[in-house]
Amino acid sequence: DSGVTQTPKHLITATGQRVTLRCSPRSGDLSVYWYQQSLDQGLQFLIQYYNGEERAKGNILERFSAQQFPDLHSELNLSSLELGDSALYFCASSVEQGGSPLHFGNGTRLTVT
Amino acid sequence: SQQGEEDPQALSIQEGENATMNCSYKTSINNLQWYRQNSGRGLVHLILIRSNEREKHSGRLRVTLDTSKKSSSLLITASRAADTASYFCAAETSGSRLTFGEGTQLTVNP
Repeated sequence: DSGVTQTPKHLITATGQRVTLRCSPRSGDLSVYWYQQSLDQGLQFLIQYYNGEERAKGNILERFSAQQFPDLHSELNLSSLELGDSALYFCASSVEQGGSPLHFGNGTRLTVT
Repeated sequence: SQQGEEDPQALSIQEGENATMNCSYKTSINNLQWYRQNSGRGLVHLILIRSNEREKHSGRLRVTLDTSKKSSSLLITASRAADTASYFCAAETSGSRLTFGEGTQLTVNP
């Protein structure tokens, strides 16, 4: 058990809808990362937060947004969903901003129909 | 584009054999990390090697790093069926961004 909790585990929704994915980092970790894993594009970095502030942005679409709250949990909001957004979305946390291992949750499997 | 690229994409071996996976990356790195993923599950960190290190061991795992060739290798010795998984390298670059390769699918046959 990595100590990172992601909810929900599965999500099925229709195109055009909006969903929120939630992540609780491992106790003591200040950094939260979001990754998207799909069959054709591997593991893509979306965004990173450290102690509530955005620190790095990757291939995150404008339809997607995220935030990290004062209690350090994070949410990833996906809107105007398209079929191609179907993927596994992982949250990971680490103690520091860099130089330390990432601890991954078990992901949220999003299916857009 | 992916920072790390693994080779081979898939590897099938017998229990007891050694498995070697290679990773190449494109730019200067702070460190290189290896992760394992069982099907549909979260990634699990295996080992981190810093840019000033050349080799690191952890149990049956041995990782090497050659910064002049921008490459790393992961060796799993005396493999077991339970080692069957996907293995990813991840390069940490400036700004602490960790970029993953596309992984090597390892199958260890009993």
